[in-house]
Amino acid sequence: ETGVTQTPRHLVMGMTNKKSLKCEQHLGHNAMYWYKQSAKKPLELMFVYSLEERVENNSVPSRFSPECPNSSHLFLHLHTLQPEDSALYLCASSQAVGAKTGELFFGEGSRLTVL
Amino acid sequence: AQSVTQLDSHVSVSEGTPVLLRCNYSSSYSPSLFWYVQHPNKGLQLLLKYTSAATLVKGINGFEAEFKKSETSFHLTKPSAHMSDAAEYFCVVSGGSARQLTFGSGTQLTVLP
Repeated sequence: ETGVTQTPRHLVMGMTNKKSLKCEQHLGHNAMYWYKQSAKKPLELMFVYSLEERVENNSVPSRFSPECPNSSHLFLHLHTLQPEDSALYLCASSQAVGAKTGELFFGEGSRLTVL
Repeated sequence: AQSVTQLDSHVSVSEGTPVLLRCNYSSSYSPSLFWYVQHPNKGLQLLLKYTSAATLVKGINGFEAEFKKSETSFHLTKPSAHMSDAAEYFCVVSGGSARQLTFGSGTQLTVLP
């Protein structure tokens, strides 16, 4: 298996549920990212991890909680979400956060619907 | 500061005709520029990138883009559209690292038979 894998691909949850999104990269990269993709809006960077340390939190509400146990895995824990949080959540990786080329490798996304 | 503007939210072309997707950028630095493509229910895939080498950049699937500093543009072109090119395309500017990427709003390309 190669590339960036996200599970689940689709998730429906109520506002009081707790769920998690999982991302795994098999590219040997040191940096991982969570992006939010909403309809009619540019991609929004949520979190950046470099070598398992969070290096950026882009003013994301605390109901989103990331976890990076190692450089290959990244989770997004979801709790008490709102309907406006419904979106496609994309995980990405890169060789390093400071890599000048800035090329990202994306997973296929987790489509989240909050009822 | 940096920004990117994709001038068309939707573009329709007939199969076999040229494709032009327009992108303008602004950056305080010498930027790196990218085009990504997203097919339905898929993640984003890198098409091509400019990182201060040749101004005409060739990518996958016959796409190319030209960096024009005087016009602050990085338009994406393809001589002949194929049905499989139907997707959303994103122009991206980098301030120098992967964490400093700014994405455009996207251009939806429709290819008509």
